[in-house]
Order: sequence, then structure tokens, then C-alpha cells
Amino acid sequence: QQQVKQSPQSLIVQKGGISIINCAYENTAFDYFPWYQQFPGKGPALLIAIRPDVSEKKEGRFTISFNKSAKQFSLHIMDSQPGDSATYFCAARSDPTSGTYKYIFGTGTRLKVLA
Amino acid sequence: GAVVSQHPSRVICKSGTSVKIECRSLDFQATTMFWYRQFPKKSLMLMATSNEGSKATYEQGVEKDKFLINHASLTLSTLTVTSAHPEDSSFYICGGRGHTGELFFGEGSRLTVL
Repeated sequence: QQQVKQSPQSLIVQKGGISIINCAYENTAFDYFPWYQQFPGKGPALLIAIRPDVSEKKEGRFTISFNKSAKQFSLHIMDSQPGDSATYFCAARSDPTSGTYKYIFGTGTRLKVLA
Repeated sequence: GAVVSQHPSRVICKSGTSVKIECRSLDFQATTMFWYRQFPKKSLMLMATSNEGSKATYEQGVEKDKFLINHASLTLSTLTVTSAHPEDSSFYICGGRGHTGELFFGEGSRLTVL
């Protein structure tokens, strides 16, 4: 119930293409869904995040789509660039009113954008 | 985004020694600090959560006597790996959550125990 399932495990996209990464969750007590980008040997960096009362959020080339009824959310990277090559993690935060305050991470997607 | 500074970035130690990793929130007050461990090509595994001035809450299976966490102030948390062994070698990452609720990570610390 605390899991966040992420797919695909790896993704190869041509430069200029659209990268799509999907996540699904079961716990309805999650109230915040961030995406992180991690380069090798570095800590994850917050990329974009969404709350369940919003169906879509866009920041530059990055868009989160959120489907509350399906308990799914996805990251779309438009006009993908070689510099976007990294590992992406989705996450879900448990509602603090539930008594716990945790961030549960997906298994990660290794994105490679070909030049 | 907010900045979390983690130090040292790399540390090599001999088996049996203790190692301390510092995590500082530089431009915000981290009411909660999270410590994660990451194995190569794997996801982040939550080790413990600490609130300023309180004892850390450890995840199941994490030895609290081996991984000592202190959160003495709103800007500083430390993780001490006591009596380190080669199996403790890993990438340790701290994260700070401020009043906005967002979680910001440090750069990580790679521990190698010989």
C-alpha cells in the first residue's frame, strides 16, 4: 500500500522527442507528488511537483499529468535534450495528518536522450 | 530551490571506525530531515526521519545503534555510521523539508569501508 510503481525502468529517446515516465500508487493518503532528477554521483534534485487537486502542471519543458481516479501520474519531457539524460524518480508524500510524514520513491527510470 | 549542503561527499574509512556525515540546510529551516541510502542503480531507501530536537524514527530493519542520527538544530542533522563494515559502503543522501513541505536533497556522501 505504501508502494509507488514506476515505469519504464529505462528509456531511450531521440533528441527533440517526448519522454514519458509513468507512476502509479495505491495509498489514497498521499497528498503531494514530486519528481526528482538525479545525475550519477549526485543527490536528487526536485524537478516539478503536483498536488492531487490539480490535473496538470507545466514548468518549461516538463509537465506532470495527474489522474486521481486512476491513481496515476506521469512526467512528460518535451523536446528532450541530451542534457536531460539522467535517472528520474517519482515520489509520493503521505498526508501528515495520517500520523506519518514520509516520501515514498518509485524505482527510477534511466533516461538516455540520443543526440 | 532550497539548498542542502552535505559533507563529506566522499569518505573512505577502515573497518571498525566511525564516520560522521553532516547535512545542513543553507537557506531554509528544515523542520524534518530524512536520511536515505542508495545502492548502485537502485532507488532511495529511507533509513530514518528526524524532527528537530526529537529522537529519530528509524525504518524497519535499520539498526539505530549503528546509524546514529542527530537533529540538533533546524539547519543541521548528522548521521554517524558506527563501527563501519564493508557492507555499510553505500551512497547516503540527506533531505530537508521546510515549512513549504517540499523536500530538498543534499549532494550525497559516498562511503567506502575497507
